Amino acid sequence: GESVGLHLPTLSVQEGDNSIINCAYSNSASDYFIWYKQESGKGPQFIIDIRSNMDKRQGQRVTVLLNKTVKHLSLQIAATQPGDSAVYFCAELGLSYDKVIFGPGTSLSVIP
Amino acid sequence: EAGVTQSPTHLIKTRGQQATLRCSPISGHTSVYWYQQALGLGLQFLLWYDEGEERNRGNFPPRFSGRQFPNYSSELNVNALELEDSALYLCASSDRGNQPQHFGDGTRLSIL
Repeated sequence: GESVGLHLPTLSVQEGDNSIINCAYSNSASDYFIWYKQESGKGPQFIIDIRSNMDKRQGQRVTVLLNKTVKHLSLQIAATQPGDSAVYFCAELGLSYDKVIFGPGTSLSVIP
Repeated sequence: EAGVTQSPTHLIKTRGQQATLRCSPISGHTSVYWYQQALGLGLQFLLWYDEGEERNRGNFPPRFSGRQFPNYSSELNVNALELEDSALYLCASSDRGNQPQHFGDGTRLSIL
């Protein structure tokens, strides 16, 4: 069935370094992907999205890369800050656009 | 602009009771989604409502149900509560299916 998975369950980075969070998806027909950030006690917060007709999209300090050939998605965070510490979920919008399929999440810990 | 709001923040029930959770979407959004986030299990899709109709449901038993009101707010009802229903229940809204969903901070349901 459809699923989205993450390669690394935990990631620790030094403050100021760049972070890269990876994600694999299984459905090659999916065409919309989203990264969410979830801080403790809060709901997931939209970070950035990308559609399958693009391979890169940039936001403020964040970049999402999509490699459809190997069904891989990554989130790059530049100059990681303590406030970036959270669980990051990649998500795939189902083919019928009716639900978001979440991966298991990666916990990012920023070391001051 | 107000985000997605959920109430109550916390809810404590005992086995066999019924729980009602409420969600108000972002103004202008017609679609409401419900997810269950149980410890160690990630986010699982529960229900999708759009324009007052149930459009899709996830792999949950019928005792999980809900509705959407004319003002697009929504209720999630869980009957015959079981211990494993203890989780964070998240509501999200979007203005149409292929746009990002925006989440509230959830209702923490604890079953004793």
